[in-house]
Amino acid sequence: RKEVEQDPGPFNVPEGATVAFNCTYSNSASQSFFWYRQDCRKEPKLLMSVYSSGNEDGRFTAQLNRASQYISLLIRDSKLSDSATYLCVVVLNTDKLIFGTGTRLQVFP
Amino acid sequence: GAVVSQHPSRVICKSGTSVKIECRSLDFQATTMFWYRQFPKKSLMLMATSNEGSKATYEQGVEKDKFLINHASLTLSTLTVTSAHPEDSSFYICSAPGLRGPYNEQFFGPGTRLTVL
Repeated sequence: RKEVEQDPGPFNVPEGATVAFNCTYSNSASQSFFWYRQDCRKEPKLLMSVYSSGNEDGRFTAQLNRASQYISLLIRDSKLSDSATYLCVVVLNTDKLIFGTGTRLQVFP
Repeated sequence: GAVVSQHPSRVICKSGTSVKIECRSLDFQATTMFWYRQFPKKSLMLMATSNEGSKATYEQGVEKDKFLINHASLTLSTLTVTSAHPEDSSFYICSAPGLRGPYNEQFFGPGTRLTVL
C-alpha cells in the first residue's frame, strides 16, 4: 500500500464549480499535513496546511480526519487558474515530506 | 519568503557522463536539504536527506554511489548523478525546510530537468 494515496484524476470541471479531492495516508504516526499545488514542469508550492479542526483560506477548505487517516481539499468557485496538480503531503516525525501521486484538475471555461 | 535556487535548470548529457546539480538557499541557512526525483506524471519521490557537515541519508532503493550528495556549507547542497544513463532522465528538485520549526513549509528549488541521451 502506498504511504499517501490520491485519485490521479483528471477532474475536468467548469468555471464556478465546486470540486473536492481526497487523500488517505497509511502511517498513523504522521505529524503534519499539507496540500501543495504543482503546475506543469514547475516545483510544488504550498497551498495550505491541514489541521484537525479544519481550515479555510478563501475558496479553499482543508479537512483532516486522523481516525480515518483521511485528508480532503475543497475548492469552491473554481477559476481557470486553479488548473494544476494538487499534491497531498504528509510529514512524519522529521522534515521529510511524503508526497501523494497528485490529483490533476482542469478547469474549463 | 525564503528562496531556493537550483542550477542548472536543464541539462542534456551523453550516457556515461556525470552531472552535478546545485541547490542553494539564498536568504537563509539550511542544515538540512532534501533531494527529490519526479518522473513524468508521477509524484515526487524523496531520494535522500542532505545534512550539512555529515553524510547524506538515502532512502531505500536509492544508490548512494550513483547519486553523490555533498552538503559543504549551510547554503549549498550538490547532487552528482554519476555515470548517467537514460533511465536517470528525470526532474530533480531540492527543498529546504523553513525557519519556523520542524513541521513547516518546505521551500522548493525550481528543479533541474535531466535528459540523458
